[in-house]
Amino acid sequence: DGGITQSPKYLFRKEGQNVTLSCEQNLNHDAMYWYRQDPGQGLRLIYYSQIVNDFQKGDIAEGYSVSREKKESFPLTVTSAQKNPTAFYLCASSITKQDGRVFGQGTRLTVV
Amino acid sequence: QKEVEQDPGPLSVPEGAIVSLNCTYSNSAFQYFMWYRQYSRKGPELLMYTYSSGNKEDGRFTAQVDKSSKYISLFIRDSQPSDSATYLCAMSERGSQGNLIFGKGTKLSVKP
Repeated sequence: DGGITQSPKYLFRKEGQNVTLSCEQNLNHDAMYWYRQDPGQGLRLIYYSQIVNDFQKGDIAEGYSVSREKKESFPLTVTSAQKNPTAFYLCASSITKQDGRVFGQGTRLTVV
Repeated sequence: QKEVEQDPGPLSVPEGAIVSLNCTYSNSAFQYFMWYRQYSRKGPELLMYTYSSGNKEDGRFTAQVDKSSKYISLFIRDSQPSDSATYLCAMSERGSQGNLIFGKGTKLSVKP
């Protein structure tokens, strides 16, 4: 079945550590996205990529980094510079930016 | 004024009721309108996608767009307990950017 796979489902990070969230898609979509969702908040865009080896900052990129070395993969690194990283992180993809997003099942990151 | 406003609820209805979910927006350039359903601790899934004004029907779901009033609605007929979820509206402008702006979501509970 085509879809987006995010791993791990739950992740715990100590303060000062960098962690990387995995996102893989087999939908052959060109565009991929990372969103952050906090309780009572809408989805906020962290980074997006429309093509391999190219990506742009979203609304809340500070403290995060991404790479897009393959069409299928768009990992997100939450760095120690992100002051409030505890959140639900969602990866998504779409054929183009005008199309609806297909979302993964999310990774819940908790700082301990 | 926020770009997209959505009443967070919670909204509780009896099984079989007609549900009306709404969003208002301020950006007259929005052309693409979507509704997503998100179950607890899961990623959102695309329910309805409409372009510009008008109605779109899919089974028990009907999406309406009124661009003159900057108002979109999602109607659910014969609501079921399985419809209990958070419903997110989203919209974007036409063009190469097309960043998708999400509402904060309305939490719906359908009681048997």
